[in-house]
Amino acid sequence: QLHLQESGPGLVKPSETLSLTCTVSGGSVSCNSCHWGWIRQPPGRGLEWIATIYSIGGTDYNPSLKSRVTISLDTSKNQFSLKLNSVTAADTAVYYCATRRTGSYSDYWGQGTLVTVSS
Amino acid sequence: QSALTQPPSASGSPGQSVTISCTGTSGDIGGYNYVSWYQQHPGKAPKLMIYDVTKRPSGVPDRFSGSKSGNTASLTVSGLQAEDEADYYCSSYAHNNNVVFGGGTKLTVL
Repeated sequence: QLHLQESGPGLVKPSETLSLTCTVSGGSVSCNSCHWGWIRQPPGRGLEWIATIYSIGGTDYNPSLKSRVTISLDTSKNQFSLKLNSVTAADTAVYYCATRRTGSYSDYWGQGTLVTVSS
Repeated sequence: QSALTQPPSASGSPGQSVTISCTGTSGDIGGYNYVSWYQQHPGKAPKLMIYDVTKRPSGVPDRFSGSKSGNTASLTVSGLQAEDEADYYCSSYAHNNNVVFGGGTKLTVL
């Protein structure tokens, strides 16, 4: 049974970089066909896919965020991470890390972490 | 890419059936059999209810079923129960390895 847990600052200043880490337990981030992703949800609004990283190291990004986002894998710590730069208030959201299976569905999710962008 | 279109609300009485629609394009729902549905209770993470259009993960009651016709996918909840009251989101694989979500439907059990 996989368990995912997000961690990182809950408050980020405008124009700075949002950095989050997802720690995976109950399985390896580098297993065959294991893919991982970040999804966010602004307060009171719907879900938005941000990025995916594949076990072979490739990445995919939401075209609307691609210029500001980096997703990476740290197999030594069994973690994957998200960096979103030049943040504004519009980036305030609950950020979830999750699995991404073939076909794009996510069967395991972290509990989510609220990141507020404010000075 | 544009979000998938869902009705903002749906409702039904206990024991009834309700169907939630999700409309996309030939570039997402219509082009691939990779539609998934999520249930989200307030303050909780989404829970996968349906994947690959019609498949149910282990532990999801068979009262939940999915289907697709053309560019529109549907989630049907039969035998409504109080605990089914939640927000429901559809999602689809889209061209170039993208993922798109619907805006969400708030299901009320009357």
